[in-house]
Parts: sequence; C-alpha cells; structure tokens
Amino acid sequence: GAVVSQHPSRVICKSGTSVKIECRSLDFQATTMFWYRQFPKQSLMLMATSNEGSKATYEQGVEKDKFLINHASLTLSTLTVTSAHPEDSSFYICSARVPTSGEKTQYFGPGTRLLVL
Amino acid sequence: DQQVKQNSPSLSVQEGRISILNCDYTNSMFDYFLWYKKYPAEGPTFLISISSIKDKNEDGRFTVFLNKSAKHLSLHIVPSQPGDSAVYFCAASAKGNEKLTFGTGTRLTIIP
Repeated sequence: GAVVSQHPSRVICKSGTSVKIECRSLDFQATTMFWYRQFPKQSLMLMATSNEGSKATYEQGVEKDKFLINHASLTLSTLTVTSAHPEDSSFYICSARVPTSGEKTQYFGPGTRLLVL
Repeated sequence: DQQVKQNSPSLSVQEGRISILNCDYTNSMFDYFLWYKKYPAEGPTFLISISSIKDKNEDGRFTVFLNKSAKHLSLHIVPSQPGDSAVYFCAASAKGNEKLTFGTGTRLTIIP
C-alpha cells in the first residue's frame, strides 16, 4: 500500500500556543488529503478535506479559523491548531488516496498525539 | 446520526478459529466499503475493501462479505492469529464522494 508519514508523532504544548502537524505522501502524489481526529475509545471523525492548490473543505462543526489547513504541494498537507486549548487534546491522523488507483481506499499516516496543558 | 455501526465493541476468539466482525450501515448511497485495523496510538492500516457491485472479496486470510439488501457487511479472518488482536473499523464511502465514514470499532482479542 501507499505510504503516508506524519510529523511530529507526539507534541505537548501550553494552552494558547499554535501547533503545526505535517502530513506527507512518500511514494505518490496526493491531490487530496484528509484530516481526522480520534478521541479516546471513539471512532475517527473527519475534520476536513485538504485539496492541493485550493481551500480545504471543513466538516460541519469544525472551526476553519482554529484548524488551519494548507496543501501547498502534491505531497504535503499541514494542519495548524491555532490557540490550542486542553479540549483540543486528541489524536490527529491524516490520510491520502492514490489518485491514479481508481479506488477510494485511503492510506493513513501514523497519527500525532497532541496534549495541550 | 451514526451511519456506520459496529454493534459489538469487543470480541474474543481462540487462536486458529474464525473471527467474524460485523458492520451495519444506513445510507443507501454508500457504494464502497473498507476494513481497517488499528493499534493504539497508530494510524489505521488498510486491510480489504469491497465495491457494491460485488458480494464477496477475499485476500489471504481476510474475506469481506456484503449484503446490500440487509445493509450489512462482515469481515472474516481465518485462521485467527495473535497478531490480529487490534481494533477493527469498517468504513464506507458514498457514490461520487471520496469521504469515508467510520464505524465505532470492534476490539478483537485473539486468545492463544
């Protein structure tokens, strides 16, 4: 399967600071990447769809000014959690689909554990 | 509104036996279904998928069955191995849409 990486794997920050998470497709070009959040013992919830060269599409209830997404190249999407608060502590996971595969399968990165103190 | 449901939060199976994980959905527009395996603090790993034009897809020890009339799919793992212990998520995608909707997950424990 396709390989997706994320960085950092874990981050601890103070309340009010901003945190940037990177998502990279390593062996393919991804015109679309997806950002999910998973709270403990819950399912993966789609936050937004990141489109290369255009604005991200956010799911209902997700604040676009708080979760800034930039997809500046075909292999990199970034999620910035601005003015993070303890309730933003969660596991953030990105995924990407291989556009030439003709399938809808998404390949996931290893995730980023965010802890806001 | 949970469009994809996995009603069993956990399942324990003896090593070597068959593991059957179930998933139900409500959205009739879903036309592509996937199963992912997830370990704690890691991203989901793709296992197997099935299109709505099929009712069965097999890959090694993994077989997915789709019953469109019942809006139900299942993942069979046989024989079950200790390394299969993980949380399994089913996911679905609607026609013309790349987004995936995930179920709540089932924790599978394989007993040696």
